[in-house]
Amino acid sequence: AQSVTQLDSHVSVSEGTPVLLRCNYSSSYSPSLFWYVQHPNKGLQLLLKYTSAATLVKGINGFEAEFKKSETSFHLTKPSAHMSDAAEYFCVAPLLSSGTYKYIFGTGTRLKVLA
Amino acid sequence: GAGVSQSPSNKVTEKGKDVELRCDPISGHTALYWYRQRLGQGLEFLIYFQGNSAPDKSGLPSDRFSAERTGESVSTLTIQRTQQEDSAVYLCASSSRRGLGGELFFGEGSRLTVL
Repeated sequence: AQSVTQLDSHVSVSEGTPVLLRCNYSSSYSPSLFWYVQHPNKGLQLLLKYTSAATLVKGINGFEAEFKKSETSFHLTKPSAHMSDAAEYFCVAPLLSSGTYKYIFGTGTRLKVLA
Repeated sequence: GAGVSQSPSNKVTEKGKDVELRCDPISGHTALYWYRQRLGQGLEFLIYFQGNSAPDKSGLPSDRFSAERTGESVSTLTIQRTQQEDSAVYLCASSSRRGLGGELFFGEGSRLTVL
């Protein structure tokens, strides 16, 4: 069965330092994978998407993620954090089960950016 | 419409009352999803519609929950005899893709508080 594990529930970084948000997935096949961001009191927004065309995926706002099949990981990174990056980040994997298409969300990582 | 629209944005109700939550997907989007997000937690999949068909309703938490969709348009999530544990933000998303891999576009959610 497909599952998504976000290894850190909270991450704090100083402004201008790198960001690393970790995600591991489990699946018997190479999936599509997504990262979504949720700013306070805002809706969820797609950050980036992996669809097997390239293992390094670039997204909005300077974020990128690398799909590593050998490690079953899809970690999200950014070279330099900005105050506006403070938000909740969700790693998402698709699942087809019983004729239903589900997008399985990880439990989320809350990113705090310190001035 | 320009985006996914959900109503009401906030609903406070008394335990035992019924509530209806509405989702207007982006025009032309055939796939529609409902998720529940409890405070401080990730997104819990509830149900998926392809057109007005929902192949699998097992994600609904109990038989107090039901959902309908009119064609490829509006969807309604109904919670009967609400309980305090139903308090959460209910998120709706739509996608133009029939299968998996398409971007989900989220509404801003309906925040339900059951007193």
